[in-house]
Amino acid sequence: DIQMTQSPSSLSASVGDRVTITCRASQSINSFLNWYQQKPGKAPKLLIYAASSLQSGVPSRFSGSGSGTDFTLTISSLQPEDFAAYYCQQSYSSVTFGQGTKLEI
Amino acid sequence: EVQLVESGGGLVQPGGSLRLSCAASGFTFRSYWMHWVRQAPGKGLVWVSRVNSDGSTTTYADSVKGRFTISRDNAKNTLYLQMNSLRAEDTAVYYCARDGIAVADDAFDIWGQGTMVTVSS
Repeated sequence: DIQMTQSPSSLSASVGDRVTITCRASQSINSFLNWYQQKPGKAPKLLIYAASSLQSGVPSRFSGSGSGTDFTLTISSLQPEDFAAYYCQQSYSSVTFGQGTKLEI
Repeated sequence: EVQLVESGGGLVQPGGSLRLSCAASGFTFRSYWMHWVRQAPGKGLVWVSRVNSDGSTTTYADSVKGRFTISRDNAKNTLYLQMNSLRAEDTAVYYCARDGIAVADDAFDIWGQGTMVTVSS
């Protein structure tokens, strides 16, 4: 099974900060990597698919990059509504999620 | 409005069974692969199962293989998850999700609100 490891597990930041979350796969997954945002008590929301494609309706301050085993999600200027948990997910072989990154004020 | 609405969760004893449903609306349900994803309280997301568009192909996580069965009724626009031999570790919110990105397999663009399953005596 492919393991996905996110770092950091939690992150404190302020409105306006630039934030980067990383996700590492235990083997190459090409660009089969998606990112989700989840707010407390709510379902996850797709932000980025295929490593770098922005899902429709998602603000352009979110971006994704990487291929192979190393990926990043970047939020260019944090907004109050961005404080949430973020998950990476590989779809190269079956489906596996990372353990999540909690972004706090 | 594109929507998924889960139902069927509740409290069940260890070893018991439960069937979850996910009603789809606002899109052509029969055209999409569908998935179940679960989240234990305070924990991360875990993929459970998927079914192809016509229901002929299913895949399961090792942790539920042989105990859970995914199915769909395209005439009723409904996805199901039959859960048997339930264990305490199956306690979670269960989400159904649509595999909706044409150029990215297994990218979940629409999610239901979730239904809570609690396995406890």
